[in-house]
Amino acid sequence: SQTIHQWPATLVQPVGSPLSLECTVEGTSNPNLYWYRQAAGRGLQLLFYSVGIGQISSEVPQNLSASRPQDRQFILSSKKLLLSDSGFYLCAWSASRAGGWDEQFFGPGTRLTVL
Amino acid sequence: AQKVTQAQTEISVVEKEDVTLDCVYETRDTTYYLFWYKQPPSGELVFLIRRNSFDEQNEISGRYSWNFQKSTSSFNFTITASQVVDSAVYFCALSGDSNYQLIWGAGTKLIIKP
Repeated sequence: SQTIHQWPATLVQPVGSPLSLECTVEGTSNPNLYWYRQAAGRGLQLLFYSVGIGQISSEVPQNLSASRPQDRQFILSSKKLLLSDSGFYLCAWSASRAGGWDEQFFGPGTRLTVL
Repeated sequence: AQKVTQAQTEISVVEKEDVTLDCVYETRDTTYYLFWYKQPPSGELVFLIRRNSFDEQNEISGRYSWNFQKSTSSFNFTITASQVVDSAVYFCALSGDSNYQLIWGAGTKLIIKP
């Protein structure tokens, strides 16, 4: 069965510090991978998605970046965090059979607080 | 443009009551998929159902049921005999275009009181 991992679970970082959140998927090959952000009490905002190694599409221009160094690894980064980067970050995967039509499965999330 | 509207921001009911969560969508695509997800207080989103645009049959899974009506562009979710464990935020989503996106509603927070 497929499993998706995210770490860390919680993170408190000062403004201006770097960020690296990692997501890995087990039990599947060539998944589509997604990074979402959820502000407190709000809906989901798609940040990045990837259909393959090294292929990253950005949905929202900001100071965050994403990388996919391996097939089942997706990393969210920032060189300098802003207060507005605080939120709940969710990684998700879906099968690559058809774009946007397969259900996405989510990791446990990382709760980031920028002070 | 594609859009998903969940007009109910928060619903509060007493345990064992039935409750319906509304979802209205907009799309010009003839082929599309609709989804429901549950987000309990722990935060992790749990997939509940996927429905394609060619299948308007209602779906029932235990206490959960879904009513898909293309005529009104709605995909409503009903919980029968609600339980405290049903308390969560529920999201409706619509398949986007070929960019592998889901278009998400704002979510409905469901509170089940004992």
